[in-house]
Amino acid sequence: EIVLTQSPDFQSVTPKEKVTITCRASQSIGSSLHWYQQKPDQSPKLLIKYASQSISGVPSRFSGSGSGTDFTLTINSLEAEDAAAYYCHQSSSFPLTFGGGTKVEIK
Amino acid sequence: QVQVQESGPGLVKPSETLSLTCTVSSGSISSYYWSWIRQPPGKGLEWVGCIYDSGRTNYNPSLKSRVTILADTSRNQISLKLSSVTAADTAVYYCARGIPVAYLDYWGQGTLVTVSS
Repeated sequence: EIVLTQSPDFQSVTPKEKVTITCRASQSIGSSLHWYQQKPDQSPKLLIKYASQSISGVPSRFSGSGSGTDFTLTINSLEAEDAAAYYCHQSSSFPLTFGGGTKVEIK
Repeated sequence: QVQVQESGPGLVKPSETLSLTCTVSSGSISSYYWSWIRQPPGKGLEWVGCIYDSGRTNYNPSLKSRVTILADTSRNQISLKLSSVTAADTAVYYCARGIPVAYLDYWGQGTLVTVSS
C-alpha cells in the first residue's frame, strides 16, 4: 500500500499570504497524484489532477507541482473562502489512498 | 452535469450489514470507475473500494472480507454492502466517479451512517 504523508496537519494563515502543503509518497507514483479541497460539511472537490494540471472552474491561485514521491499544493494569496481541509490522493496503484489531510484556518 | 446521490439507512446495528445505494443522473455509469470513500466524524478520507469495467472490483484490503460493491447499469446505480459492522464503521460514506483509474471528479454529498444499538 502506498502511504501518503501530508504536512503540516494544520496551518493558520492571514489572508493574502501564500500557503504551501506537501504530500510525500512512500514510493514513486509518477504524476498520479491529485488534490482535493473539503470545506466544512461539504464533500471533497477536485482541485488539481495529475500533480499539476488545473481543473476548470478552480481559481488560478491554486497550483500543484512535483513528481515521483514529493508533491506540493500552493495557494497564492489566500482568500477567506479557502478555509478548508486539503487532501492528496494517489491513483498509481490499488488500494487507492489519501493523505491524512491539512486543515487551513484563516487568522 | 453529472449528479451523484447516496441513499440508505442512517442507523445500523452492530454485527448487521450496512447497505447504501449511489444513484447517478445525467450520464451512464459505464466507462467510468465508481468508488466508495468514507470519512469518520472529524477524521480523514478512507477509500473503501471501487467498481469498473462493468463489474470488476477492487477493495481496500483492510475491509476486503466484509465489502461488496455492485453496479446496476439498467438503473444507473452502484451499491455498497459492508457486513458485520462495528462502531468503527460509523462514518459519512461518499460515492464518487473516477476517471479510470485516476482522479475522482464528481462526488455525492455523502450520507452519515451511525453504527449503534
